[in-house]
Amino acid sequence: QQPVQSPQAVILREGEDAVINCSSSKALYSVHWYRQKHGEAPVFLMILLKGGEQKGHEKISASFNEKKQQSSLYLTASQLSYSGTYFCGTAAPSGSARQLTFGSGTQLTVLP
Amino acid sequence: KAGVTQTPRYLIKTRGQQVTLSCSPISGHRSVSWYQQTPGQGLQFLFEYFSETQRNKGNFPGRFSGRQFSNSRSEMNVSTLELGDSALYLCASRGTGLETQYFGPGTRLLVL
Repeated sequence: QQPVQSPQAVILREGEDAVINCSSSKALYSVHWYRQKHGEAPVFLMILLKGGEQKGHEKISASFNEKKQQSSLYLTASQLSYSGTYFCGTAAPSGSARQLTFGSGTQLTVLP
Repeated sequence: KAGVTQTPRYLIKTRGQQVTLSCSPISGHRSVSWYQQTPGQGLQFLFEYFSETQRNKGNFPGRFSGRQFSNSRSEMNVSTLELGDSALYLCASRGTGLETQYFGPGTRLLVL
């Protein structure tokens, strides 16, 4: 079952913060976050593993609440380059195979 | 390291034809997954190959098939194309024992 992302879309001014949420009804092994710009491939941002710590990358960080099967992506002091569609991909515990099930995406627009 | 490469980048076919797409993973990566992206259905998992064996398969008809060669390069074949097969087809490679999947630029298929 597809994870649910919220919000579906958000518009920010440069320098503002945003939070994107990803929620699953299934037990998760990992949560993967990607950003995709129009006409391009998804670019990997970060991964959170069950039992792992909160991850951070410059001004983008994420958390994973294993009990609630939820993950949140935090974008602080947003820049114009942050615009794009953000996807969370979830993987269930299934041996060594890794099938990612993606949410429908959150469209982020950063205005000057 | 060079990233994931996919060929061709763009393809136009007519209904009933078949098509073969190619993916070369990051050097040293042995796992290749294929995804279909459409505006209506989003990013959907097709299948994963590891060491020339299909390890996991998504919910797609048998017209969609794939294979992987000893050098880890993978091909995806779609037979008897339908209009609804028009999509961006992405492959992602993953290192052995690692979780992160890196996407290639994709092949945009248009079925007329």
